[in-house]
Amino acid sequence: SQELEQSPQSLIVQEGKNLTINCTSSKTLYGLYWYKQKYGEGLIFLMMLQKGGEEKSHEKITAKLDEKKQQSSLHITASQPSHAGIYLCGATTTSGTYKYIFGTGTRLKVLA
Amino acid sequence: GAGVSQSPRYKVAKRGQDVALRCDPISGHVSLFWYQQALGQGPEFLTYFQNEAQLDKSGLPSDRFFAERPEGSVSTLKIQRTQQEDSAVYLCASSPRHGVLEANEKLFFGSGTQLSVL
Repeated sequence: SQELEQSPQSLIVQEGKNLTINCTSSKTLYGLYWYKQKYGEGLIFLMMLQKGGEEKSHEKITAKLDEKKQQSSLHITASQPSHAGIYLCGATTTSGTYKYIFGTGTRLKVLA
Repeated sequence: GAGVSQSPRYKVAKRGQDVALRCDPISGHVSLFWYQQALGQGPEFLTYFQNEAQLDKSGLPSDRFFAERPEGSVSTLKIQRTQQEDSAVYLCASSPRHGVLEANEKLFFGSGTQLSVL
């Protein structure tokens, strides 16, 4: 069973539109990681958040972690076809653990 | 190598056949993980190695699954008497540190082996 819930499960947007993907946990998260997965390319690391209220941006992608550290959002501004893929949130729930848990993933398609 | 390498990329097995999946982590990476990703799901933890020591195998679904990393580098995940429910993508990941994942620690993933059991 998945301890991290992601929504939506899939998303189709027109190129240039903004979008948001959410990741929710019933537990307080120690570290929250966002990965992107494309077919045949494994998981590519995007960003890591640890502090409550933290926000990070890279190019057109912004990730936030709420103050309670139980929910994160990934926002893409002005989406492009290159943003298409599966977005996975991963997390560690305790300090000093080596074990990641992953969400169910959000499949994004961007129409040109 | 430059990244984590997994082979084969695709494997089709008949039910009951034994399979072996290989992972070649980034040179010098101490930690190695195996994950199983069913269709439409996120990866689920199978097992963890620190060098050659298998420190956690709590995620292995049955005693038909066996993993080894005898020299602390290349790892093999073996599945005996494969069943249809074993069909999934098997992902290998490595990290340079041993054991504890620190706050800024990320895993380096291979492209995975897609196993189909007929």
